[in-house]
Amino acid sequence: SAVISQKPSRDICQRGTSLTIQCQVDSQVTMMFWYRQQPGQSLTLIATANQGSEATYESGFVIDKFPISRPNLTFSTLTVSNMSPEDSSIYLCSVSTGGYNEQFFGPGTRLTVL
Amino acid sequence: AQSVAQPEDQVNVAEGNPLTVKCTYSVSGNPYLFWYVQYPNRGLQFLLKYITGDNLVKGSYGFEAEFNKSQTSFHLKKPSALVSDSALYFCAVRVNFNKFYFGSGTKLNVKP
Repeated sequence: SAVISQKPSRDICQRGTSLTIQCQVDSQVTMMFWYRQQPGQSLTLIATANQGSEATYESGFVIDKFPISRPNLTFSTLTVSNMSPEDSSIYLCSVSTGGYNEQFFGPGTRLTVL
Repeated sequence: AQSVAQPEDQVNVAEGNPLTVKCTYSVSGNPYLFWYVQYPNRGLQFLLKYITGDNLVKGSYGFEAEFNKSQTSFHLKKPSALVSDSALYFCAVRVNFNKFYFGSGTKLNVKP
């Protein structure tokens, strides 16, 4: 299994600012994903972070709002730009080695926007 | 379209009783099915998966799940529930070696 860390674990931000969330994995992985989750609710996939190329965004999510970087096979960042209170959520990083394999999840970043 | 349904928002059981958390799926192609558990203020933890072979798969913490192709279901089960099993449970399906689709989640409450 992969061990995933996220920074920060939580933050409180002001409207209009941006926050960058980091995801670090202890081994090289094929696929990295970013999800958003309201407490007690299901996960919504934001995008798949692709190493060496632009991320693949799901419907309703755009690069200008959620720019993603993935400079190598163990690290990715998600930026939440020009934040509004509607962006308050838990942001989860996950990884998979592809094929039939399961995903492993980071502990999440709890974001509150005032 | 690919989808996963968890018809129960909440399941209540008494400690020591058997538990079942339901999941049905709709996919084109072969389904690769997973169960995850999420404890409060934690990330998701992998419990078990079905890829192929035996329809009954065993996983972590005494959980098992039964794959039923004709009913397109993958219900999570445990013979004897513990209070510590109380958590949020998610069913997921992976299609074409690509992204995962998650169900809406079922909150399991195990009463002493």
